[in-house]
Amino acid sequence: EIVLTQSPGTLSLSPGERATLSCRASQSVSSSYLAWYQQKPGQAPRLLIYGASSRATGIPDRFSGSGSGTDFTLTISRLEPEDFAVYYCQQYGSSSPWTFGQGTKVEIK
Amino acid sequence: EVQLVQSGAEVKKPGESLKISCKGSGYSFTSYWIGWVRQMPGKGLEWMGIIYPGDSDTRYSPSFQGQVTISADKSISTAYLQWSSLKASDTAMYYCARWDAMKGFDYWGQGTLVTVSS
Repeated sequence: EIVLTQSPGTLSLSPGERATLSCRASQSVSSSYLAWYQQKPGQAPRLLIYGASSRATGIPDRFSGSGSGTDFTLTISRLEPEDFAVYYCQQYGSSSPWTFGQGTKVEIK
Repeated sequence: EVQLVQSGAEVKKPGESLKISCKGSGYSFTSYWIGWVRQMPGKGLEWMGIIYPGDSDTRYSPSFQGQVTISADKSISTAYLQWSSLKASDTAMYYCARWDAMKGFDYWGQGTLVTVSS
């Protein structure tokens, strides 16, 4: 089973600032099958990025994903008020289980 | 429009059984896997398992194997998650989500809150 470790646990930033979130895998994620999700309080998660770098339908271009192998990054270029939320990475390249990271909370500074 | 609609919140006692549902619409239900994800209060997302309604092929996380049963009825486009004997530690929000092999979980249900308390 692949373990995903996200850092930092909490990111305190102001609107307009750049956010950089990390997701590190315990072994290589095949074919960059790495997704990022956003979850706001009281809501279901929402797919942001798949295949490590492809934006899902309707996702603004201030969200971008990068990385391969064991190291992946989600970048939010300029934080909008609605971007303050918890972000999870998930790998789905190897055989199941397709595990999630523990999450990074992006909070208003 | 793709939609996954889950059954309503449940309050149960330890030892009781429970089956919650997830009804898909707006797409070919038998062509996509449906997965279940647990979120305990104040905690992160946990991948529980997944089913392919076309042939009922099912995979479980080792953490949940033997603890829950995932099933589907393709005739009514509905997937299920069931427990035979609930514990207090099963208290959580449970989400179903459609699995796309290239994208991951691309559509999510609204969640079903399960509370187990004596």
